[in-house]
Parts: sequence; structure tokens; C-alpha cells
Amino acid sequence: AQSVTQLGSHVSVSEGALVLLRCNYSSSVPPYLFWYVQYPNQGLQLLLKYTTGATLVKGINGFEAEFKKSETSFHLTKPSAHMSDAAEYFCAVIDSGNTGKLIFGQGTTLQVKP
Amino acid sequence: NAGVTQTPKFQVLKTGQSMTLQCAQDMNHEYMSWYRQDPGMGLRLIHYSVGAGITDQGEVPNGYNVSRSTTEDFPLRLLSAAPSQTSVYFCASSSLRQGVGTEAFFGQGTRLTVV
Repeated sequence: AQSVTQLGSHVSVSEGALVLLRCNYSSSVPPYLFWYVQYPNQGLQLLLKYTTGATLVKGINGFEAEFKKSETSFHLTKPSAHMSDAAEYFCAVIDSGNTGKLIFGQGTTLQVKP
Repeated sequence: NAGVTQTPKFQVLKTGQSMTLQCAQDMNHEYMSWYRQDPGMGLRLIHYSVGAGITDQGEVPNGYNVSRSTTEDFPLRLLSAAPSQTSVYFCASSSLRQGVGTEAFFGQGTRLTVV
């Protein structure tokens, strides 16, 4: 069965610093991977996704993620943090049964300090 | 386009009461699901549906019922509310016709407190 592990429930960076949020997955089949962002008191919004093809995926708001099969990782990065990036971030993998089921990691709260 | 609409946004229930959380989508998506979000646990799947008349259990189905009589609506019923069901609930939908890996759209959430 698929699973997702996000390393670090809280990450704090200074404004302008690199953002790195870690995600490792477990999957018996080629995975479809997602990063979602949740701003306070809102629903989840898709940041980016990996399905097939290029392993470096660019998303909205300057975020990108690299799929590394050998490391079973899909870490999220952004070169320079903005105050508006403060939110909770979720990594997810789609269930192999083609039912559309998403399996989420525990989430990482990103704090951006001025 | 409204996307995924959840009602109510907030609800307080007494232990033992029942209620229905409403979810509607206007994107003609086949797949709909309900998640609960609890601190440190991410989102956990309660129930899901791959089309009208078809539902199945997710990871944490106990205490909840669902039905899917139309493509648009997927209500979640709490049969006898318990304090352990205090959580934030999200409804999501996605297209299966577009293939695996299409984006899931989420509602704004329902914050439920059971006292």
C-alpha cells in the first residue's frame, strides 16, 4: 500500500531564505505525487504534481519539486521565502487502484520570520 | 463556477446528536471523497465514491455514513456524534475520465465541535 512521510512537522525560515520541505513515499507502482498548500481557515490548493515525464516539476508561487525514484523522495523547494508562504503543506500520493484516492502525509507547517 | 461547496462552515453538536454535512460540486466529477483533518495526522479518508450509487469506506469510516444519489452531491452523515469526531472535515472531488493524477479540488471545510 502507498504511504507518505513528511519529515518535520514544523519548519521555520527567514524571509528570503531557501524553503525545503521533505517528503518520502512508499509505493509498489510508479507513483503520482502531489503537493498541496493550506492557508489558515481555507481548503487545500494544488501547488504542483508529478505524474510522468520530467522529474523536476514547477508549480505555482515559485515552488518546485524533484521526483527522485532512487531516494523515493519528492521534496518541495523555493529559493526565496516570502511572508505569504506561511501555511501548511501536504505531500500526497494517489492510490494505485485508480480510484482517485489521495493518501496524505502528516503535513508540515511553514513559518516565515521577517 | 463554484467548484466544491461545503455547508455548514461551522457546527457545534452535543454528544449523541446526528447531523449531515453537505458537499456539492459542479464540475461533473466522478470521484468525491470526505476527509477529516486532525493536528499532526494530516488528512484521513473517511468515505469515497467513484460515481453515483457507488460508495466505499476509507481509512476511518466508523461513525459516518455516506450516499451518492447524484453526481453532484455527496453528503456525510454523523449518526450519533461523539467528542472524538471533533475535527475539520473536507470534501474533495476529481475527474477520473481525465486519467489518474488529475487535480483534486477541495471545499473550504466544516469545523465541527462535539461537546
